[in-house]
Amino acid sequence: GQQVMQIPQYQHVQEGEDFTTYCNSSTTLSNIQWYKQRPGGHPVFLIQLVKSGEVKKQKRLTFQFGEAKKNSSLHITATQTTDVGTYFCAGQRAAGNKLTFGGGTRVLVKP
Amino acid sequence: SQTIHQWPATLVQPVGSPLSLECTVEGTSNPNLYWYRQAAGRGLQLLFYSVGIGQISSEVPQNLSASRPQDRQFILSSKKLLLSDSGFYLCAWKSTLKNYGYTFGSGTRLTVV
Repeated sequence: GQQVMQIPQYQHVQEGEDFTTYCNSSTTLSNIQWYKQRPGGHPVFLIQLVKSGEVKKQKRLTFQFGEAKKNSSLHITATQTTDVGTYFCAGQRAAGNKLTFGGGTRVLVKP
Repeated sequence: SQTIHQWPATLVQPVGSPLSLECTVEGTSNPNLYWYRQAAGRGLQLLFYSVGIGQISSEVPQNLSASRPQDRQFILSSKKLLLSDSGFYLCAWKSTLKNYGYTFGSGTRLTVV
């Protein structure tokens, strides 16, 4: 079955620094979505990428979809304490199909 | 506006007791609904999904069942809970908006003791 892997599993970041988390699928995807889950909370949708090579930005967050539509990355610049949480990527093999979540990258920010 | 409600927020149940978690959606019709489970510090595992009343697809053989008695109501049940059923249960709804993902309920933290 389809597998979605995320690395790293944990990311300790000094406040103000940048970091990147990566997502890899075992199969070609129709789209990939990113979610953020704050400690004790529920996942919240951030963005969806559909096109090969697509890049989208949300303030300090930059999302990229690979050319082969099998991988994605999330880059955060100038990390802030509000960025603490677990970031999940989730892929669909075809629009409307089930969403398969990666294991998440848990981000801890050192002030 | 479109909202999703899930309750209770926390639940402590003894082994062997029954379970019923409810999820309702407002502001939309015929939504695709999902039940996910998240073990502590882990990812999200899809348990069930439903594309309409009475239509349930099970992803993982387990001690749980789901039902959709009404268009905007999705229920997760168990006749006899196991210790391994402990976890964070999340109901989700797929938005009909283009390029928009799932909206999750606030979740139920279930501890089986």
